Amino acid sequence: DVKVTQSSRYLVKRTGEKVFLECVQDMDHENMFWYRQDPGLGLRLIYFSYDVKMKEKGDIPEGYSVSREKKERFSLILESASTNQTSMYLCASTSGARTGELFFGEGSRLTVL
Amino acid sequence: GDSVTQMEGPVTLSEEACLTINCTYTATGYPSLFWYVQYPGEGLQLLLKATKADDKGSNKGFEATYRKETTSFHLEKGSVQVSDSAVYFCALITNRDDKIIFGKGTRLHILP
Repeated sequence: DVKVTQSSRYLVKRTGEKVFLECVQDMDHENMFWYRQDPGLGLRLIYFSYDVKMKEKGDIPEGYSVSREKKERFSLILESASTNQTSMYLCASTSGARTGELFFGEGSRLTVL
Repeated sequence: GDSVTQMEGPVTLSEEACLTINCTYTATGYPSLFWYVQYPGEGLQLLLKATKADDKGSNKGFEATYRKETTSFHLEKGSVQVSDSAVYFCALITNRDDKIIFGKGTRLHILP
């Protein structure tokens, strides 16, 4: 069974803390994405990556950075967490064939106090 | 720019009712269209897709037809079940890049 695994389902952090969200896929996909999901706003793209060590800004990259050192792993980093980053974070991957068929992880719900 | 607009929820129906969730899009070129579903506590998963005009995607009793003339891709099901309660997202991808554009989602509640 193909799988996208996010390291933490629930996290609670304090304002100013550094936060790492890890995502691993086992499908040898080239493309990986980080979204945040908020009520009434749907999914918003934070960053994406088409290859190892490559990253592109999405629609809302401010306050976030990413790392892709290995093909299967895509990490989202909040350098200094703020309360407005409380959200559900979803990782997804797809092959490079523009199929539009994203495979999602179960999500990481982050609360920043 | 490219965009997807879908009806706002929540939508509440009784079991065995007919369902339509409207979705319209704006895109240059010839996009592929998708419906994703998110069950409670889970990530999104692909429900169905259509890659060209007049194509009909179907899965789990759901259907949607790619209507180029009305730029629409409405999701339909003839008889819903409690287990269909979820959030449904309409989405598109253009042939220009690999970015997928999602609508804001429609929450569906099915009452027994």
